[in-house]
Amino acid sequence: AQSVTQLGSHVSVSEGALVLLRCNYSSSVPPYLFWYVQYPNQGLQLLLKYTTGATLVKGINGFEAEFKKSETSFHLTKPSAHMSDAAEYFCAVRTAGGTSYGKLTFGQGTILTVHP
Amino acid sequence: DTAVSQTPKYLVTQMGNDKSIKCEQNLGHDTMYWYKQDSKKFLKIMFSYNNKELIINETVPNRFSPKSPDKAHLNLHINSLELGDSAVYFCASSHYLQGMAEAFFGQGTRLTVV
Repeated sequence: AQSVTQLGSHVSVSEGALVLLRCNYSSSVPPYLFWYVQYPNQGLQLLLKYTTGATLVKGINGFEAEFKKSETSFHLTKPSAHMSDAAEYFCAVRTAGGTSYGKLTFGQGTILTVHP
Repeated sequence: DTAVSQTPKYLVTQMGNDKSIKCEQNLGHDTMYWYKQDSKKFLKIMFSYNNKELIINETVPNRFSPKSPDKAHLNLHINSLELGDSAVYFCASSHYLQGMAEAFFGQGTRLTVV
């Protein structure tokens, strides 16, 4: 079985500060990892994904994440927060192959607040 | 063009009613999903169809019945609605065989049962 834990349900940063949203996963087979963002009353939009290859992946809006197998982590970062980054962020894992049939298992979400 | 579209966006109904939510994708994907987001924003899969065949059926009350008339459509019918069914329901699609492919989500349907 796969699971995802996002540490911190709320993260608050100042505009221009570093954003760090934490995600740890559990998977018995190599995982595919995703970060999605949800703006109020909107659907989920993909920020970035890790499948294979380079462990540091870059996404949209200046976000990036690093897959660390030894730490079973996939933390999301952005060097400088912008007011428009305020949203809820979801980490998700999808097991490669097997009987998961592509389903995503989500973390609990982290609400990012950016203040001036 | 909207990739994954759901209708309606908002649905308010009384307990005991039957309602349907429709979903369509124009991405050419072969797999579609229904996810439920509860009041605490937790997202959990409910169903998945691959080429019109049900492949994931999580522990969901049998009042919920998905139907996929073709690869591009996946509808969700809910019978005898209960207060606890109030949530946001998201439709999504992806390529099943392309395991690394991400899922694309619709805008969600906010269901409120009163």
